[in-house]
Amino acid sequence: GAVVSQHPSRVICKSGTSVKIECRSLDFQATTMFWYRQFPKQSLMLMATSNEGSKATYEQGVEKDKFLINHASLTLSTLTVTSAHPEDSSFYICSARYPLAGGTQETQYFGPGTRLLVL
Amino acid sequence: AQKITQTQPGMFVQEKEAVTLDCTYDTSDPSYGLFWYKQPSSGEMIFLIYQGSYDQQNATEGRYSLNFQKARKSANLVISASQLGDSAMYFCAMRENYNQGGKLIFGQGTELSVKP
Repeated sequence: GAVVSQHPSRVICKSGTSVKIECRSLDFQATTMFWYRQFPKQSLMLMATSNEGSKATYEQGVEKDKFLINHASLTLSTLTVTSAHPEDSSFYICSARYPLAGGTQETQYFGPGTRLLVL
Repeated sequence: AQKITQTQPGMFVQEKEAVTLDCTYDTSDPSYGLFWYKQPSSGEMIFLIYQGSYDQQNATEGRYSLNFQKARKSANLVISASQLGDSAMYFCAMRENYNQGGKLIFGQGTELSVKP
């Protein structure tokens, strides 16, 4: 399957600082990537859809000024958590669309995730 | 209303036995895809298996098979010959093909524990 990397895997920062998380498709081009947030023992919550060369589409209730997404190339999307606060502490995971065999359907391959802790 | 429902928060299975993880879905879209993902304690989401709404046969991938019952709107995951490494969270997901952007809708997950 396709490989998606995410960096950093873990970050601890002080309240009020900004944190950037990178999501890269290593062996394929991804015109569309997705950013999710996950709390312990809960399901994934889609935050936004990141499209290469255009503005991200945010889900209802997600602050676009708080969570800045940039998809500047076909292999890289970044999520910046601006002015982070303790309530932003969570597991952030990205994914990229990838075609299944036959080419008519697709799945999403996920990065390994980033654990953010804001003190 | 929940689009994807996983009614089993936790499941136990003996090593080498088979286990079925339940998933029901709700959609009015005639064209959709159903997915299962595995999430070990490390956090990564691992794609396991896919079933298209128009597929005539149940999908299989190694020890994983998807019991697709369209009329009942269920897409249960069957894991045969369970291994200790199968212990993880399992998420069922759906993509409605008329949903622009290819978004996945996830269920709440089932935590599977394989006992030696």
